[in-house]
Amino acid sequence: AQTVTQSQPEMSVQEAETVTLSCTYDTSESDYYLFWYKQPPSRQMILVIRQEAYKQQNATENRFSVNFQKAAKSFSLKISDSQLGDAAMYFCAYRSSISSGSARQLTFGSGTQLTVLP
Amino acid sequence: DTGVSQNPRHKITKRGQNVTFRCDPISEHNRLYWYRQTLGQGPEFLTYFQNEAQLEKSRLLSDRFSAERPKGSFSTLEIQRTEQGDSAMYLCASSLGQALLETQYFGPGTRLLVL
Repeated sequence: AQTVTQSQPEMSVQEAETVTLSCTYDTSESDYYLFWYKQPPSRQMILVIRQEAYKQQNATENRFSVNFQKAAKSFSLKISDSQLGDAAMYFCAYRSSISSGSARQLTFGSGTQLTVLP
Repeated sequence: DTGVSQNPRHKITKRGQNVTFRCDPISEHNRLYWYRQTLGQGPEFLTYFQNEAQLEKSRLLSDRFSAERPKGSFSTLEIQRTEQGDSAMYLCASSLGQALLETQYFGPGTRLLVL
């Protein structure tokens, strides 16, 4: 079974600065998908960025980018020019690429609570 | 596209009572997922539907839990004889599973408190 580990329960960053959230995972599969979701307080979870494991190029979405290290099974999220609205719980998630019924679920880490300081 | 909606948003019940939650997915999304999230933790998978067929159930889904998705549209999750350990946020997500890189879109969740 796959596992996802987020070793930083809490992080803080000064507004306009850059912060990196860590995520490691364990899998025996060679092809899979990785996601970062953001869950603001009392609001629904939204997708921040996603990465296909077969792609060597790191995904980027505006101020959000990832550092995907497949051999190290590491998938960190970098937030540049942090804004107050970035404050939220961030979850790293894994999904298998296998096209079977049981492979569609997301496996989440325990989350990192990000505080943005004005 | 109005997003995934869930009702009720909050539910307080007494131990032993039955509760039912509803999820309305994004229209035309053929896949629907239920997750449970306890305080300070990431969501954990409960069950998954493709259209009206329930294809996968987690071992977290005890026999007190039942989920349905009639006609492949909305879904309901029922918990019978609730226990205090059932207190959690129940999240629903939907996706359009036409490609391997499907993205799950989450609803706001139903927060259950069992007294």
